[in-house]
Amino acid sequence: AQSVAQPEDQVNVAEGNPLTVKCTYSVSGNPYLFWYVQYPNRGLQFLLKYITGDNLVKGSYGFEAEFNKSQTSFHLKKPSALVSDSALYFCAVRGMNRDDKIIFGKGTRLHILP
Amino acid sequence: GAGVSQSPSNKVTEKGKDVELRCDPISGHTALYWYRQSLGQGLEFLIYFQGNSAPDKSGLPSDRFSAERTGGSVSTLTIQRTQQEDSAVYLCASSLGLKNIQYFGAGTRLSVL
Repeated sequence: AQSVAQPEDQVNVAEGNPLTVKCTYSVSGNPYLFWYVQYPNRGLQFLLKYITGDNLVKGSYGFEAEFNKSQTSFHLKKPSALVSDSALYFCAVRGMNRDDKIIFGKGTRLHILP
Repeated sequence: GAGVSQSPSNKVTEKGKDVELRCDPISGHTALYWYRQSLGQGLEFLIYFQGNSAPDKSGLPSDRFSAERTGGSVSTLTIQRTQQEDSAVYLCASSLGLKNIQYFGAGTRLSVL
């Protein structure tokens, strides 16, 4: 069965510092991996995805994520946090089987402190 | 172009009433998903439709919940005999296929009094 875990409910980072939001997954075979962001009172927006190729994926707003197959992780990172990055972040995974559906994590609330 | 549209944006209802939530996906998107987001909770998968295949209803929490997708486009999520625990934001998303990016609507905030 597929699963995805975001071990931190909340992450606090000072503005200008690097940030990491953690995500681990479990699927049979190779995964499709996604990060989405939800700003207050808004729908979810796509940030980036890993399908195949380079393990380091670059996405919107200066975010990037690194696919680590041995650790089954896909952590979201940004070198220098902005206050405007404060939002709810969701990791999602899907297996490659035809009937697999996308599974979302519970979300991590990121607070960037000015 | 137009994104995913959901209506109504807010719905207040009394316990025991039925409600219908509508989702208008992006034109041409074959996959459509419904999720529920409760306060302080993550996204709870409810149901998805992919083309003409039978929908995956495995996430529906009870038989009070049902959904249909007419003509491969608009979808309606129906909750019968609403309960207070049904209060949540119901999100709809569509994509070109199951491995493609999902585009989300703004959601319907349901409040059951």
